[in-house]
Amino acid sequence: QQQVKQSPQSLIVQKGGIPIINCAYENTAFDYFPWYQQFPGKGPALLIAIRPDVSEKKEGRFTISFNKSAKQFSLHIMDSQPGDSATYFCAASRNYGGATNKLIFGTGTLLAVQP
Amino acid sequence: DAGVTQSPTHLIKTRGQHVTLRCSPISGHKSVSWYQQVLGQGPQFIFQYYEKEERGRGNFPDRFSARQFPNYSSELNVNALLLGDSALYLCASSLVSRATGELFFGEGSRLTVL
Repeated sequence: QQQVKQSPQSLIVQKGGIPIINCAYENTAFDYFPWYQQFPGKGPALLIAIRPDVSEKKEGRFTISFNKSAKQFSLHIMDSQPGDSATYFCAASRNYGGATNKLIFGTGTLLAVQP
Repeated sequence: DAGVTQSPTHLIKTRGQHVTLRCSPISGHKSVSWYQQVLGQGPQFIFQYYEKEERGRGNFPDRFSARQFPNYSSELNVNALLLGDSALYLCASSLVSRATGELFFGEGSRLTVL
């Protein structure tokens, strides 16, 4: 119930391609779904996040698509660049009430964008 | 502006030893969380502190403990180290207490247990 399943484990695309990373969850109490980007030797950094009351959110070249009925969400990277090569993590959290936060992360997708 | 700073960046310990990891949040952030990231996996939640009180605890044994100081910095302590404790330990701070506020991660402390 607390897991977030992420696929694929790794992905190789050509420059300009549109990599798509998928995540699925079981716990319908989750109400916040962020994506994090992590470069080697660095901590994760927030890319974009969505709440279940919208089906899509765009920020620059990054788009989240959200399907509440299927309990799935995905990240699309438009016009991908070699600099986008990194590990991407989806995550989810729920409102526990009070001053509590806790992110449940997926297992990560290693993206390589070839020039 | 300084981001989340963690120390030490790398350390090597032997089984049974104790380790203390330190974290300084972004100025003005009152919430600090700790995550463990095993190689090839996503970060796993260990603790969250907000205004010096524990607000959440993940599924980790009692060997793991943490605290937050009046200046909002934090320490993660791990006793009786096991080989399986080898991981990147990430600290994250946020302006608000709930995860719906952005978490800012440090670069982590890489712990190797031999």
